[in-house]
Amino acid sequence: DAGVTQSPTHLIKTRGQQVTLRCSPISGHKSVSWYQQVLGQGPQFIFQYYEKEERGRGNFPDRFSARQFPNYSSELNVNALLLGDSALYLCASGVGEGRNEQYFGPGTRLTVT
Amino acid sequence: GQNIDQPTEMTATEGAIVQINCTYQTSGFNGLFWYQQHAGEAPTFLSYNVLDGLEEKGRFSSFLSRSKGYSYLLLKELQMKDSASYLCAVQNDYKLSFGAGTTVTVRA
Repeated sequence: DAGVTQSPTHLIKTRGQQVTLRCSPISGHKSVSWYQQVLGQGPQFIFQYYEKEERGRGNFPDRFSARQFPNYSSELNVNALLLGDSALYLCASGVGEGRNEQYFGPGTRLTVT
Repeated sequence: GQNIDQPTEMTATEGAIVQINCTYQTSGFNGLFWYQQHAGEAPTFLSYNVLDGLEEKGRFSSFLSRSKGYSYLLLKELQMKDSASYLCAVQNDYKLSFGAGTTVTVRA
């Protein structure tokens, strides 16, 4: 079975630009969560979507937005990029419906210059 | 708020045992996860504890005491490939809150 997939693998953007990151969950999983991991730290929760509805949001500015599509894939958008947005962006897939295990994709490494 | 503490670094010899402790103070609790993360890669799921006690999975075991806000991950028969960062994460409803991770270095 295919695991969680994310695209692109790496991305370099300039301050002020906008970026869209994509995630496809494990087949049968309805929940997608997004995390930001800065070097040397643990992942920080950004969003979770379940059945195409936003279930929760972490302490990130409104420049960060996301959505989930009918096929349960998801996009994370970040506007007006700052240098501090440089990080590994991780997508985690889960069954939802009371089962809590989350499985991470390979991540997208975003560098803002 | 969420406060999850784990040691920054640990070093052990190949074939030995290492125990990584994690203490947490969180506003809610649905379970505790341990993940392994090699440099530049995504976290890989190791274990999930909901109830108090020990969960064993091959060379890895994880223990949870909810009353003490305490967990540990036990790595036995260490191998060089176990050199990685180990992340403790507490689940509250839908989200995971992570510690900063413990870097384990296995020496020959």
